[in-house]
Amino acid sequence: QVQLVESGGGVVQPGRSLRLSCAVSGFTFSSFGMHWVRQAPGKGLEWVAVIWNDGSIKSYADSVKGRLTISRDNSKDTLFLQMNSLRAEDTAVYYCARDHNLAASGIDYWGQGTLVTVSS
Amino acid sequence: QSALTQPASVSGSPGQSITISCTGTSSDVGYYNLVFWYQQHPGKVPKVIIYEASKRPSGVSNRFSGSTSGNTASLTISGLEAEDEADYYCSSYAGSSLLVFGGGTKLTVL
Repeated sequence: QVQLVESGGGVVQPGRSLRLSCAVSGFTFSSFGMHWVRQAPGKGLEWVAVIWNDGSIKSYADSVKGRLTISRDNSKDTLFLQMNSLRAEDTAVYYCARDHNLAASGIDYWGQGTLVTVSS
Repeated sequence: QSALTQPASVSGSPGQSITISCTGTSSDVGYYNLVFWYQQHPGKVPKVIIYEASKRPSGVSNRFSGSTSGNTASLTISGLEAEDEADYYCSSYAGSSLLVFGGGTKLTVL
């Protein structure tokens, strides 16, 4: 069955960096686009970024552009999110999620999420 | 990148039907047939219940249905059950590999 397992979350000071990983199994990773979606405590879902199946196209929400970078390693079935210059408003549960297609259309599977807390 | 508009809350009694709207623009909901609906119970991971506006994944109850008209997508839940009480979110493809979510709707089953 499809599984997505995030790791790398934790408490980090404002301005510092963090790298999230998402290991997947149960499907052909290189055939699907992948997303990061976040949810601040008590708030709604916010789309963060997407990367096409082959890594050729990446797209970001305006709120994270220039600070967060999505990448993938299809040889290791792993998705990444490099988070730089972190701010308090980046505090959220970060979900790794699979797109329904090879690019960007909508999400059909979600990981369990990893909590990132930005605080001094 | 503006969020799609959903009502903050809706409610209904067991057995009734409710509809949740998701309003976008002619650049997202009104242009692409790529509206997805998700159900999220408290403390749980979101789950897709409708994809591509009106298709239902296997295993999802046929009490859930989706439709679109112009710039607005709708999720209808018929025969409300207590277990339907949850938060519901819509998303739409918005072009240029961008995705946008609605603000979410809290469904209360009275």
